Amino acid sequence: EAGVTQSPTHLIKTRGQQATLRCSPISGHTSVYWYQQALGLGLQFLLWYDEGEERNRGNFPPRFSGRQFPNYSSELNVNALELEDSALYLCASGRQDGNQPQHFGDGTRLSIL
Amino acid sequence: GEDVEQSLFLSVREGDSSVINCTYTDSSSTYLYWYKQEPGAGLQLLTYIFSNMDMKQDQRLTVLLNKKDKHLSLRIADTQTGDSAIYFCAEGGGDYKLSFGAGTTVTVRA
Repeated sequence: EAGVTQSPTHLIKTRGQQATLRCSPISGHTSVYWYQQALGLGLQFLLWYDEGEERNRGNFPPRFSGRQFPNYSSELNVNALELEDSALYLCASGRQDGNQPQHFGDGTRLSIL
Repeated sequence: GEDVEQSLFLSVREGDSSVINCTYTDSSSTYLYWYKQEPGAGLQLLTYIFSNMDMKQDQRLTVLLNKKDKHLSLRIADTQTGDSAIYFCAEGGGDYKLSFGAGTTVTVRA
């Protein structure tokens, strides 16, 4: 069974640009979760999508947004990039019934110059 | 609150047992998880325990849950060099998002 896949592996941007990160969940999983792992700040919940809808959002500004497609894959968009957005962005997938754990991809390393 | 706390570092000799401890505050947690992260990689689910259980064993891994004290531990028997990594404790509740501890860096020495 294929795991959670994320692309790209690395992304380098400059301040003020926009970044798009992609995630494909495990087959059969309808929920996609995004987390940010920034140095010194640990793992922080960003967004949860299920069945195409945003279900929950962490304490992040509106320039962090995303969407989920009919095939349950998801995009995370970060607008007006700031230096502190440099982090590893991890995507996880799971079943919406919450009775299965979340499985993570290997992440996208976003570096802001 | 959703604070999860764990010690930051653990050094253990190869072949010994490792015990990583974690405390959490959210009494509505449904599941508690242990994830492993190796350098440059994502999170690998190691094991998880439902909140109405007090112990779960899976090969070299033993999870103990003291719900009254909101204390979770992970024991790794016969620790190997490949067990060197960062271990994250996480709790999940009805809102389906996970709250993570800061991670415990486990170093296995020969």
